[in-house]
Amino acid sequence: GQQLNQSPQSMFIQEGEDVSMNCTSSSIFNTWLWYKQDPGEGPVLLIALYKAGELTSNGRLTAQFGITRKDSFLNISASIPSDVGIYFCAGNTGKLIFGQGTTLQVKP
Amino acid sequence: GAGVSQSPRYKVAKRGQDVALRCDPISGHVSLFWYQQALGQGPEFLTYFQNEAQLDKSGLPSDRFFAERPEGSVSTLKIQRTQQEDSAVYLCASSSQGIIEKLFFGSGTQLSVL
Repeated sequence: GQQLNQSPQSMFIQEGEDVSMNCTSSSIFNTWLWYKQDPGEGPVLLIALYKAGELTSNGRLTAQFGITRKDSFLNISASIPSDVGIYFCAGNTGKLIFGQGTTLQVKP
Repeated sequence: GAGVSQSPRYKVAKRGQDVALRCDPISGHVSLFWYQQALGQGPEFLTYFQNEAQLDKSGLPSDRFFAERPEGSVSTLKIQRTQQEDSAVYLCASSSQGIIEKLFFGSGTQLSVL
């Protein structure tokens, strides 16, 4: 079946650093989404991408939809402690297909 | 309510027991999804309802899993004869008119099968 591969699997960074994570797929998606999940909570949508090549920002977050429609990246600038959590990419096929997640830890 | 509500929050079951997990979607949301999230993994699709109609149940792992939404609002996910591999967080999500970008997730039910 369709699979999304996220990397890195985990990151441990210093507060104030920039972060980059990406997601690749063997299949083409028409919509890419990025979610954040805090412990004990459900995923919350951060950014949705609709067009190949599209670059979208939401505050300190920036995400891009790859030209091939098989990949996407998420950048977080000037990280803060509340950025801690698990970040998931997801492709939309009418239902969401999620990656395995990137766990982010931020050291104050 | 203000968000998607799931109950119970935690459920411990002995292997072989039946369990029922409840989801109260956001009022007026016609689309409802169930996902299973194993430890350290991303959520995996189980089933999808549009109002009371179950339009896709391709993700249900076995015939021990059954979901219903008889009146098009509250949904119940039932697992019969639970096995240890059923241990996971079960997430419910709802959206208005099936718009994926407007999908709101509940906090989940953490099921532990001993």
